[in-house]
Amino acid sequence: DQQVKQNSPSLSVQEGRISILNCDYTNSMFDYFLWYKKYPAEGPTFLISISSIKDKNEDGRFTVFLNKSAKHLSLHIVPSQPGDSAVYFCAASSNSGGSNYKLTFGKGTLLTVNP
Amino acid sequence: DAMVIQNPRYQVTQFGKPVTLSCSQTLNHNVMYWYQQKSSQAPKLLFHYYDKDFNNEADTPDNFQSRRPNTSFCFLDIRSPGLGDAAMYLCATSRDYRLNQPQHFGDGTRLSIL
Repeated sequence: DQQVKQNSPSLSVQEGRISILNCDYTNSMFDYFLWYKKYPAEGPTFLISISSIKDKNEDGRFTVFLNKSAKHLSLHIVPSQPGDSAVYFCAASSNSGGSNYKLTFGKGTLLTVNP
Repeated sequence: DAMVIQNPRYQVTQFGKPVTLSCSQTLNHNVMYWYQQKSSQAPKLLFHYYDKDFNNEADTPDNFQSRRPNTSFCFLDIRSPGLGDAAMYLCATSRDYRLNQPQHFGDGTRLSIL
């Protein structure tokens, strides 16, 4: 049972345009969401997070939007740069039931930004 | 720079031959995690330590064990590796999970089984 889903295995955008990466979740107990970026041969690097009490969090070129009613979050990258080309993982955790240590990951989306 | 370091980056072992992967951290974080990630799959949590308290995931095979001799180091032991254990193994740390805080990952060890 996949509780965090990234339905697009890959996405290709032009440099300077917006990249939108999507993530859906099924567990309504999730209340903290993160995006990680992973380059080949490196570990995932934390990018940005959002708590369920918010619907938007922005950090420079990166913005995460959370729609709790739809159980959907998205990562917007504006403007996209070739160095943003990587695999992006969505992850979620829940502060209830003693399981707040556990991150549940999606399978990732490969973003390619073309010069 | 404070970081999470995994050694070795690549490990080859024989079917059934025990292998140990290591992880060290300079972040002084309380929590250390081990994940298994197979190709095109999501990272899967195997177990974690909160300080010295060990917590095993229910579906982690008995073949996998871990040791944390001190705050800085954590080891993953695979007692009798099978072909299905070939994967990337990721170590991560976090300061505490009582507050929402991100986990910080090492670059992983890619394990191959001959």
